[in-house]
Amino acid sequence: DIQMTQSPSSLSASVGDRVTITCRASQGISPYLAWYQQKAGKVPKLLIYGTSTLQSGVPSRFSGSGSGTDFTLTISSLQPEDVATYYCQKYNSAPFTFGPGTKVDIK
Amino acid sequence: QVQLVESGGGVVQPGRSLRLSCAASGFTFSNYGMHWVRQAPGKGLEWVAIIWYDGSIEYYADSVRGRFTISRDNSKNTLYLQMNRLRVEDTGVYFCARPATRSHWNWFDPWGQGTLVTVSS
Repeated sequence: DIQMTQSPSSLSASVGDRVTITCRASQGISPYLAWYQQKAGKVPKLLIYGTSTLQSGVPSRFSGSGSGTDFTLTISSLQPEDVATYYCQKYNSAPFTFGPGTKVDIK
Repeated sequence: QVQLVESGGGVVQPGRSLRLSCAASGFTFSNYGMHWVRQAPGKGLEWVAIIWYDGSIEYYADSVRGRFTISRDNSKNTLYLQMNRLRVEDTGVYFCARPATRSHWNWFDPWGQGTLVTVSS
């Protein structure tokens, strides 16, 4: 099975900072990579699919990129409402593995 | 609007069984595969199982294969997860989720609100 890793596991940044989260797959999965945001006690929310396509309604400060095995989620200007845990997920085949998550908070 | 509502969670002893349900509305249920995803307290998301739109194919995570069974009743627009031989480590919130399009190889959107399963003696 393909393994998914994320780095860092947590980060603390200031409002307005650029934040980058990395997701790595143990084999190539392009472009079958999605990103979800989960706020405390809430249901996961889709942010990006197909590696780089922004879900409707998601602020444009979120963006995704990558190919092959290496992918990135970028928040161009961190906002207080972005405090959450972010997960990548592969969906090219079963199992539909999620990354372990990256917890983002405000410094 | 598209809605998924889970039910059936509760407290159960190790080794016992529990069946979860996910009632779907707002879309043609029989056209879509469906997933179960779980989240242990304070932990990350773990994909559990998928069932094909017609129930013909199922895939499971290694951690539940042989103990859990995913099924569906398209006449009732309902997805199920039969959980047998439950373990303490099966404790968590269980979400049902739909692929965003009719392709099974798709991202998940929408998700249900989740139902809590607690396995404890």
